[in-house]
Amino acid sequence: DAKTTQPTSMDCAEGRAANLPCNHSTISGNEYVYWYRQIHSQGPQYIIHGLKNNETNEMASLIITEDRKSSTLILPHATLRDTAVYYCIVRAYNDMRFGAGTRLTVKP
Amino acid sequence: NAGVTQTPKFQVLKTGQSMTLQCAQDMNHNSMYWYRQDPGMGLRLIYYSASEGTTDKGEVPNGYNVSRLNKREFSLRLESAAPSQTSVYFCASSEADSREDEQFFGPGTRLTVL
Repeated sequence: DAKTTQPTSMDCAEGRAANLPCNHSTISGNEYVYWYRQIHSQGPQYIIHGLKNNETNEMASLIITEDRKSSTLILPHATLRDTAVYYCIVRAYNDMRFGAGTRLTVKP
Repeated sequence: NAGVTQTPKFQVLKTGQSMTLQCAQDMNHNSMYWYRQDPGMGLRLIYYSASEGTTDKGEVPNGYNVSRLNKREFSLRLESAAPSQTSVYFCASSEADSREDEQFFGPGTRLTVL
């Protein structure tokens, strides 16, 4: 039973911001929101995670709504190399369950 | 610093054969994990080891066994391979088995069972 809902696919123009939404309406107070991506068939790559507050690192920003029922991953300046499947995961301890993710295609 | 390494990269087995997938990490992490990924789907947890000397079942443990050989190494064994076990297998590690610690993944082993 998936804890998150993501669009199946999205397109983004190169150089523009990519905004990937995720719904997690049943999230518990102690569960973190994680984002990973998978390029081709490589191992998943960690992007960012957060609990309540917005987070930013060198790769992306994570915006979590005040009620924590949804979040958005922002890639500020998408490049062709950001084409991948992006997974939003709600996590408690070892229970990191990957859904089908969003296939982001960055176009020239 | 190689991170998480997995061997072999590819393997073809016949139904009923056995094999062991190897995983090692050089980040001094305490926790290690085995996942499988079927075509077009997300990853599913098979087994994990929260710390050296402990192992626990994940979401899809049937048909598999694991061994935490030492802090660095975590192996996955298929005793009698079945076509339903055709998948890509990923090993991961994290500093602790905590929701605050990200997992680092290896490159995967692509297994086909005929």
